Amino acid sequence: EVVMTQSPAFLSVSPGERATLSCRASQRVSTNLAWYQQRPGQAPRLLIYGASTRATGVPARFSGSGSGTEFTLTISSLQSEDFAVYYCHQYDNWPPWTFGQGTKVEIK
Amino acid sequence: QVQLVESGGGVVQPGRSLRVSCSVSGFTLASYGVHWVRQAPGKGLEWVSVISYDGYNKNYADSVQGRFTISRDVSKNTVYLEMNSLTVDDTAVYYCVRDPAGCSDGVCSVPGGVYWGQGTLVSVSS
Repeated sequence: EVVMTQSPAFLSVSPGERATLSCRASQRVSTNLAWYQQRPGQAPRLLIYGASTRATGVPARFSGSGSGTEFTLTISSLQSEDFAVYYCHQYDNWPPWTFGQGTKVEIK
Repeated sequence: QVQLVESGGGVVQPGRSLRVSCSVSGFTLASYGVHWVRQAPGKGLEWVSVISYDGYNKNYADSVQGRFTISRDVSKNTVYLEMNSLTVDDTAVYYCVRDPAGCSDGVCSVPGGVYWGQGTLVSVSS
């Protein structure tokens, strides 16, 4: 099973600042990596797939990078609606699909 | 467009059974596998099960192996998750998720987007 480790667990950021979230896989997963945003009471929303492709309708301030075992989600200028929990997800080596434990982005 | 809609959640007593459904549109189950992923209250995402595009391969998380059964009806565009011997640890929102790779005759495409339903809440309580 591929273990996904996200860091940090909590990130305090001021509106307008840049946020950088990391995800590490215990084995290489190529670029079969997705990022999700989840607000309270809502389903996960796909932001990035293929490690770097923005999903339809996702603002350009969200960008993804990386391959193999190291991945990054960058939010260039945080807006109020971006404060949420973010998960990474590998779909390269399965079953099972595996997810990171999440990074909560909070208002500083 | 691609849509997945879960239904059938509710409150059930420990030891009882429940079946949740996932109705899909915008694609055919004959070309895409479907996964179930769950999220316990205040917790992260946990993969539960998958049925392949051809219906032949079914896999389960260790935590549900032997208790849960995934199936599908292609003509009804619906995937099911039959859950038996439920425990309080099965309390969660259950999401159905389309596999990102479409397949035909054993050949699968490069994975694309990952589509999720809105979830259905299963609460196991006495």
